[in-house]
Amino acid sequence: GAVVSQHPSWVICKSGTSVKIECRSLDFQATTMFWYRQFPKQSLMLMATSNEGSKATYEQGVEKDKFLINHASLTLSTLTVTSAHPEDSSFYICSARQGWNTEAFFGQGTRLTVV
Amino acid sequence: AQSVTQLGSHVSVSEGALVLLRCNYSSSVPPYLFWYVQYPNQGLQLLLKYTTGATLVKGINGFEAEFKKSETSFHLTKPSAHMSDAAEYFCAVRPSGGSNYKLTFGKGTLLTVNP
Repeated sequence: GAVVSQHPSWVICKSGTSVKIECRSLDFQATTMFWYRQFPKQSLMLMATSNEGSKATYEQGVEKDKFLINHASLTLSTLTVTSAHPEDSSFYICSARQGWNTEAFFGQGTRLTVV
Repeated sequence: AQSVTQLGSHVSVSEGALVLLRCNYSSSVPPYLFWYVQYPNQGLQLLLKYTTGATLVKGINGFEAEFKKSETSFHLTKPSAHMSDAAEYFCAVRPSGGSNYKLTFGKGTLLTVNP
């Protein structure tokens, strides 16, 4: 199957700083990428959907100014958590799909801890 | 609108025993259904999916699931549990038509396998 790589796998940052998480499709061109957040022992919550070259569509309740998403190329999307606070600590997962009716593949996730 | 209910947040079985993880869905249009597995601090791996055709679908690692429209169910089974099956399992649904690829996940079921 297709491979989606996230980097870093884990990151610890100080409160008030910004953190960037990368999501790359390694062997296919991803027209759409999705960013999820997962709280401990809970399900995945879709944060936003991004199509290459256009602005991301955020789900209701997700602060777009806090969670900046960029999908500048067909193989890379980034999520930047700006001015991070301890409540932003979570597991962030991206997924990517090639076409509108194809399967999406998931990255391995990024554990963010804000101290 | 769509939703997924996974009955039982935690299922415990003995090694070699039958695994049954329950999933019921609600969808206003014909659904595509998925089962994913997540190991600790990792992303999601697709186990199997139902789109069209045969209602009994076979996936990786010996898992299978049956789509029962009349019962709006998509339960996951495996005849004989292995220690390596211990993980979190998520059922997900999305609309079958159009370009809406938004996956809706259940809350997950933690499977533990006892020796």
